Amino acid sequence: GQSLEQPSEVTAVEGAIVQINCTYQTSGFYGLSWYQQHDGGAPTFLSYNALDGLEETGRFSSFLSRSDSYGYLLLQELQMKDSASYFCAVRGGDDKIIFGKGTRLHILP
Amino acid sequence: GAVVSQHPSWVICKSGTSVKIECRSLDFQATTMFWYRQFPKQSLMLMATSNEGSKATYEQGVEKDKFLINHASLTLSTLTVTSAHPEDSSFYICSAKWGGRLDGQFFGPGTRLTVL
Repeated sequence: GQSLEQPSEVTAVEGAIVQINCTYQTSGFYGLSWYQQHDGGAPTFLSYNALDGLEETGRFSSFLSRSDSYGYLLLQELQMKDSASYFCAVRGGDDKIIFGKGTRLHILP
Repeated sequence: GAVVSQHPSWVICKSGTSVKIECRSLDFQATTMFWYRQFPKQSLMLMATSNEGSKATYEQGVEKDKFLINHASLTLSTLTVTSAHPEDSSFYICSAKWGGRLDGQFFGPGTRLTVL
């Protein structure tokens, strides 16, 4: 079976840094993705890690440790528009993407 | 860049009727498309994998006779919710497999289905 664990909610202050962790158990693994979803919208792709290490894209960074089956999404210089749900997802060998349950990020002014 | 569209973006129907949702890859060919369902404040759950020219593969617990999937061309997959009931009300999202993307898929904007 496959499972992904991430916190259900995280609260942070505008301008701060927040880290959302994700651990996974999968039968096949090609990479870990992160998606952002605002209420009422479809998920939008943020980042993808296939190899160990840190990937940086602007204010967002994503990290993967395959040996620990662990990854995280780091959001810097938080803005109010970053309030959304964030999903980690695993891409398996059959090209399927399995999503975690999502982390609701609340940002306080 | 690659674009995936869905039609309609929202639909309201009466209980017992059938609803068809289209998923199109607008500027690329997709031999494989995926259908997801998302209930409010929950995650996206993979329902089925749609392969052009062959039968769809359904995930465990998804009724294939209730959720009919047809992938008749390289740019179009359809999901038909048959005899819809209020519990089928959900956000349905498709994605198309595309090798040009790191995560391998492009997601459509979703279709909000409300069954009265």
